[in-house]
Amino acid sequence: AQTVTQSQPEMSVQEAETVTLSCTYDTSESDYYLFWYKQPPSRQMILVIRQEAYKQQNATENRFSVNFQKAAKSFSLKISDSQLGDAAMYFCAYSYWGGSEKLVFGKGTKLTVNP
Amino acid sequence: DTGVSQNPRHKITKRGQNVTFRCDPISEHNRLYWYRQTLGQGPEFLTYFQNEAQLEKSRLLSDRFSAERPKGSFSTLEIQRTEQGDSAMYLCASSPGTSGATGELFFGEGSRLTVL
Repeated sequence: AQTVTQSQPEMSVQEAETVTLSCTYDTSESDYYLFWYKQPPSRQMILVIRQEAYKQQNATENRFSVNFQKAAKSFSLKISDSQLGDAAMYFCAYSYWGGSEKLVFGKGTKLTVNP
Repeated sequence: DTGVSQNPRHKITKRGQNVTFRCDPISEHNRLYWYRQTLGQGPEFLTYFQNEAQLEKSRLLSDRFSAERPKGSFSTLEIQRTEQGDSAMYLCASSPGTSGATGELFFGEGSRLTVL
């Protein structure tokens, strides 16, 4: 069974600084997706960034980028120029390519942004 | 823009009562998912539908839980004889399915259940 582990229950960052959230996963599949989702307080979960496992190039979306290490099964999220609106729970998630698109989530990291 | 809609947003019930949650996915999304999220945890998969067919159910979905998607549009999740351990946020998500698969799921705001 696939598992996703986020070892940092909480992180904090100063506004305008950079922070990295860690995620490791376990799977025997070779084709899959990895995601970072953001869940603000009392709001719906939204996709931050997606990585296809077959792509060697790390995904980037504006201030958000990932460091995908397939052999190490590591998938970290870097947030640059942190903003107050980035404060939220961040979940790392996995889904198998070509399957049900069912997501397996980690336990999440609560990010606090200090002004 | 109509995203995934869930009702009710909050439900407080007494142990032993039945509750039903409704999810309206993004129109034309073929796949619909139910997740359960407890405090301090990530969402856990419960079940998913491809159109009206329920294709996968988690072992978390005990026989007190039933989900339907009768016409391949909205879905309901019913919990019978609720227990305090059922207290959680129930999340619904949808995706286009194979025709537009990117792996991304679109989530609703959730239905929070409190069982007294």
